[in-house]
Amino acid sequence: AQKVTQAQTEISVVEKEDVTLDCVYETRDTTYYLFWYKQPPSGELVFLIRRNSFDEQNEISGRYSWNFQKSTSSFNFTITASQVVDSAVYFCALTFSGGYNKLIFGAGTRLAVHP
Amino acid sequence: NAGVTQTPKFQVLKTGQSMTLQCAQDMNHEYMSWYRQDPGMGLRLIHYSVGAGITDQGEVPNGYNVSRSTTEDFPLRLLSAAPSQTSVYFCASSYLDRQGMNTEAFFGQGTRLTVV
Repeated sequence: AQKVTQAQTEISVVEKEDVTLDCVYETRDTTYYLFWYKQPPSGELVFLIRRNSFDEQNEISGRYSWNFQKSTSSFNFTITASQVVDSAVYFCALTFSGGYNKLIFGAGTRLAVHP
Repeated sequence: NAGVTQTPKFQVLKTGQSMTLQCAQDMNHEYMSWYRQDPGMGLRLIHYSVGAGITDQGEVPNGYNVSRSTTEDFPLRLLSAAPSQTSVYFCASSYLDRQGMNTEAFFGQGTRLTVV
């Protein structure tokens, strides 16, 4: 069975704080893909990152960074120096090779960044 | 490119009515799918298609039908709307890259459906 768990339902921070969003996944497949999407208040889904199971390099993109650890089945997302525009719901998702890109989503984490 | 286009953006239905949510993509993607988003549950897969003429059920298919007669279009039909189908619906498309790896899903803007 495949599953994605985002245990943090809501997080509230003050601007310029660093914040980490947790994502834990379960899969028996050896080749799989992990994604993060952002859903701002306007409702659309914005793609942030894709990670393959065979590439454990961490990634940094501006204020965003991702820590992928197969040993703990986690793919955590950190926002450094958060800004009000980061306020959104963030989803972690999983699919597997040969799975026709059927995505399994976590429940999402709502991040509120206050000025 | 328009990407993935969903219509309508909003819809109110009465219980028992039927309707079709439209989805079209202009990126020639082989994979298309429909998800519903409910509070606290993330997105759940309703139906998906791996190419024209090929569809299959996802996690929550009951009450919905799909067809894929062309690569571009993937409509979702509600046969007899129920209040439990009140949700936000997203259509998505994707493909395998040159290395055969899954790409990210490209999502439409969503359709907010209310069944009263």
